[in-house]
Amino acid sequence: GAVVSQHPSWVICKSGTSVKIECRSLDFQATTMFWYRQFPKQSLMLMATSNEGSKATYEQGVEKDKFLINHASLTLSTLTVTSAHPEDSSFYICSAVLATGSTGELFFGEGSRLTVL
Amino acid sequence: RKEVEQDPGPFNVPEGATVAFNCTYSNSASQSFFWYRQDCRKEPKLLMSVYSSGNEDGRFTAQLNRASQYISLLIRDSKLSDSATYLCVVNRGNTGGFKTIFGAGTRLFVKA
Repeated sequence: GAVVSQHPSWVICKSGTSVKIECRSLDFQATTMFWYRQFPKQSLMLMATSNEGSKATYEQGVEKDKFLINHASLTLSTLTVTSAHPEDSSFYICSAVLATGSTGELFFGEGSRLTVL
Repeated sequence: RKEVEQDPGPFNVPEGATVAFNCTYSNSASQSFFWYRQDCRKEPKLLMSVYSSGNEDGRFTAQLNRASQYISLLIRDSKLSDSATYLCVVNRGNTGGFKTIFGAGTRLFVKA
C-alpha cells in the first residue's frame, strides 16, 4: 500500500521557537494532503487541507499565520508551527490522498509529537 | 449536530465476545466510507472500506445503509489486540476535492 512518511516523530522545543514538520508520500503522488492535530484522548481535528501548488485551506479557528503550510511538490507538504507555545504541544498527523483514481482512502503519516517547554 | 456521529464508548468486552459499532452521517452527498483503527499515541490505520453490499474481512464485517445513512462494524471473536479506538470516516467529493469527515471514535477494551 501507499506509504506516507512524517518527520520528525518527536520534537521538543523552547517556547517562541518555530518547528517544521515534513510529510512525504514515498511511493505515490498526492495532490492533496491534510494536516491534523490530536490532543490526548480526543479525536483527530482537521487543521488544513494542502493542495500542491496552491494555498492551503484552513479550518475555522486555525490560524494560518501560526501554522504555515507549504505543499511545493506532489510528494511533500510541510507544516511550520511558528512561535510555538506550550498550548501548541500536541500530536500532529498528516495524511494524503492518491492523485488519481482515488476512492478517498487516506494514508497517514506516523505522526509528530510536539512538546513545547 | 456533528456530521459523523459515533458512540464514544468505551466498550468493555471479554475475549471472544462479539461487539458492534454504529456510525451515522448527516450529509447525503457522502460518497465513500471507511473504518480506521487508531492505537494509543499512533496514527490511524485503515481497517476496511465500507461498501453498499457489505463486506467482510476475517472477523470484521462492515455494512452501509445509504437510506438510513448508517454504517456499522461488527467484530467477532474479539482478541486482546483488538483494543483500540475505531474511527468512522466519511468522504464527500472526488479526486482533487475530497472532504473527509472523522467521527470522534469509539474506544474498545477487550479483557482477558
